Amino acid sequence: DTEVTQTPKHLVMGMTNKKSLKCEQHMGHRAMYWYKQKAKKPPELMFVYSYEKLSINESVPSRFSPECPNSSLLNLHLHALQPEDSALYLCASRSLTASGIEQYFGPGTRLTVT
Amino acid sequence: AQSVTQLGSHVSVSEGALVLLRCNYSSSVPPYLFWYVQYPNQGLQLLLKYTTGATLVKGINGFEAEFKKSETSFHLTKPSAHMSDAAEYFCAVRTGTASKLTFGTGTRLQVTL
Repeated sequence: DTEVTQTPKHLVMGMTNKKSLKCEQHMGHRAMYWYKQKAKKPPELMFVYSYEKLSINESVPSRFSPECPNSSLLNLHLHALQPEDSALYLCASRSLTASGIEQYFGPGTRLTVT
Repeated sequence: AQSVTQLGSHVSVSEGALVLLRCNYSSSVPPYLFWYVQYPNQGLQLLLKYTTGATLVKGINGFEAEFKKSETSFHLTKPSAHMSDAAEYFCAVRTGTASKLTFGTGTRLQVTL
């Protein structure tokens, strides 16, 4: 199983709402990533978790709050977002063994902030 | 700092023609290089990767890429384009101890009849 799943597929939220994105993988990968992708642009790294601990925060605004409750699950909690936060949010995972080179991506959550 | 540059934001080829997507890298250490494909409204799928060893790397869907250190290039090719190859293609280099990926700006491949 080389699949990373993300839910929901689409999300529309108001600027005062609180919502969460979910990412799950069962490949035993111990590194997990959140990316943000705007239209016609490459993905931009937001957060990296290694062994369920936050290892990289790319200066992301605090209205985005990541959480890694266990080795298979990664959440992104959203609060008081702005319309410019509308984007495709991608999750990825990677093995932390010596052979773990590539990242495996999920299908993404298309977020629209109104 | 490591980076990649993709030449050509849009490439159009006829079905059955050769596909050539260009990627040049900048790295002070031996790079790990990747090509990913993204179909509309989907995530990224790994096409192929270069780590060490053989410089000609074969990937999925008939794609291959050749690592040329002297030219700092990692161009993606496919001998015969198919309509299903129409997508966005990203070249990427691994950077840092957390294996961060630095992506190129992407090349949109259009395949015409």
